[in-house]
Amino acid sequence: GAVVSQHPSRVICKSGTSVKIECRSLDFQATTMFWYRQFPKQSLMLMATSNEGSKATYEQGVEKDKFLINHASLTLSTLTVTSAHPEDSSFYICSARVLGEGYNEQFFGPGTRLTVL
Amino acid sequence: EDQVTQSPEALRLQEGESSSLNCSYTVSGLRGLFWYRQDPGKGPEFLFTLYSAGEEKEKERLKATLTKKESFLHITAPKPEDSATYLCAVQPHSSDSWGKLQFGAGTQVVVTP
Repeated sequence: GAVVSQHPSRVICKSGTSVKIECRSLDFQATTMFWYRQFPKQSLMLMATSNEGSKATYEQGVEKDKFLINHASLTLSTLTVTSAHPEDSSFYICSARVLGEGYNEQFFGPGTRLTVL
Repeated sequence: EDQVTQSPEALRLQEGESSSLNCSYTVSGLRGLFWYRQDPGKGPEFLFTLYSAGEEKEKERLKATLTKKESFLHITAPKPEDSATYLCAVQPHSSDSWGKLQFGAGTQVVVTP
């Protein structure tokens, strides 16, 4: 299967700082990537859809000015959590869609654990 | 409204004790149903995509099946390394062209030696 990486895997920051998380598709090009967050013992919650070369589409209730998404190339999407606060502490996971004739798959990165003090 | 419900929430198995996980869904047309495995502190690992009722896919001790209302993930003769949370997700036809997934809450499987 296709490989998706995330960096960093873990970050601890002070309240009020901004944190950038990178998501890369390593062996394929991804025109569409997705960003999720996951709280302990809960399932994945979609935050936004990231499209190469255009603005991200955010899910209802997700603040676009708080969670800035940039998809500048076919292999890289970034999520910046601006002015992070303790309630933003969570596990952030990206995924990339692989679509072709007869198949439709979505591969996830390993996740980034954000802790805001 | 599209819904995905997984059962049971948790499952404890003895090594070698086969079982099935259920994913029932209500969706306005199904583009695909996805199964993932997630280990603690890691991202989901892709297992299968099923596209139409009657379809089956297998990988090692796992077999996924699909009907018009639900999907089953069968675990045959599980080993302790099969312990994980198994997630089901649907991609409705009504979703935008980007292919968003809607996830169920997952089934946590623990296999004891």
